[in-house]
Order: sequence, then C-alpha cells, then structure tokens
Amino acid sequence: EAQVTQNPRYLITVTGKKLTVTCSQNMNHEYMSWYRQDPGLGLRQIYYSMNVEVTDKGDVPEGYKVSRKEKRNFPLILESPSPNQTSLYFCASSFRTGHVNTEAFFGQGTRLTVV
Amino acid sequence: EDQVTQSPEALRLQEGESSSLNCSYTVSGLRGLFWYRQDPGKGPEFLFTLYSAGEEKEKERLKATLTKKESFLHITAPKPEDSATYLCAVPHKGDQTGANNLFFGTGTRLTVIP
Repeated sequence: EAQVTQNPRYLITVTGKKLTVTCSQNMNHEYMSWYRQDPGLGLRQIYYSMNVEVTDKGDVPEGYKVSRKEKRNFPLILESPSPNQTSLYFCASSFRTGHVNTEAFFGQGTRLTVV
Repeated sequence: EDQVTQSPEALRLQEGESSSLNCSYTVSGLRGLFWYRQDPGKGPEFLFTLYSAGEEKEKERLKATLTKKESFLHITAPKPEDSATYLCAVPHKGDQTGANNLFFGTGTRLTVIP
C-alpha cells in the first residue's frame, strides 16, 4: 500500500530535550516536505527536499532541522524544542515532474506538545 | 504577496442541501490549484488539481471549477460522510522547479447533518 508513515503519532516532551520525528514513504517520490498545522493559521511549510542531499527552507524553518540521506526518509529534528513548537506536524511526498506540480501524499500526522 | 483565502470558514448543511465552497487566490503565474480533504486528526487527502481557467473536475458528489481569480468546490446532495475540512492550496511563490511547495488556505469546515 502506497503511504507516508510518520512516527511517533503523539509526543509530549519538555523544553530543550532534542527530538526527532521520522517520516518514510514507499512511493519512490523525489520530493518530500514537512508542514505544521496550527488553529487559524492552516498548514505552513517548514522544510522541503527535492532529492537526496538536497534540502531547503520553507516558510517557518526556525528551530527545525532536516536531513535527506536516503530517498525514502526525511526526518524532522528539533534540537531544542520550545512551547511555541507545540503543533500538529505533517510529512508529505510527491513526484517531481518538471514544472508540473503533482498531488502530494500526506502522513497521518504527529501531535507534538512541548511543556 | 501570494494569498489564498477560503470562505466560508465553516458551513453546516442538511443532508441533500447542495452548496459551494470558495477559494480565492492571488498568485502570479498559477501552476496548479489543489483541493484536499482533511478529516479530524488525519492528514490531508488529495481530491483535485486544476491547471487552467475553465477547467472542471468531478468526483462523486464533488465538482471543482477554476477561474482566473478563484476556484469553487461544489457539493451536490451532500451526505454526512462528506463532513470534513476542505483545503485549497497553490504552489508557493518562487517555485519554478516543479517542486510542490504548497501554500494552503485555512480551510472550510463542512458539517453535513443527517
């Protein structure tokens, strides 16, 4: 089954304790990205990756890191989480086809609470 | 600056009562407008992509249309299972590489009452 898998689904952590949210896709997609979703603000892009070893900032990258060492995996790293990073996080992937934008597949989400 | 505005924020319909959701956008050189459905606690699920003004796409009770300034998602004779938040998105400004950096609206929360 084609899917994007995020782990964990729920996480409560304390301020400053480094954490990683994993994302894996099985569709051989070149493109992967991370979004956060907050009430009233909608989905906002954090980071994206066009392919292995190629990553770039989205609209709200502060406080986050990513890496793309393998095509299927795109982990999101919070080196020193703060309460304002409490949010619902989504990983997405899609094919990259020239200048045509294709549908993105989203994971089930990770609800992060930083206390 | 690119903008995507959805209206209304919330909509309650009786089962069978048809209506439309609106997504207005201001972006130079539109390269696709996307509609997604999101159920509570889940990730967005792709519905449609529209690429040019005048284009229409249908799926069951849903039909999406596109003009030069806005898109509509028409829901015909909705059922309770159509209750969800409907999101529209456009490729982000400056995206010239075929990437999929989507700029989302805040969505319309649809509730269909039996």
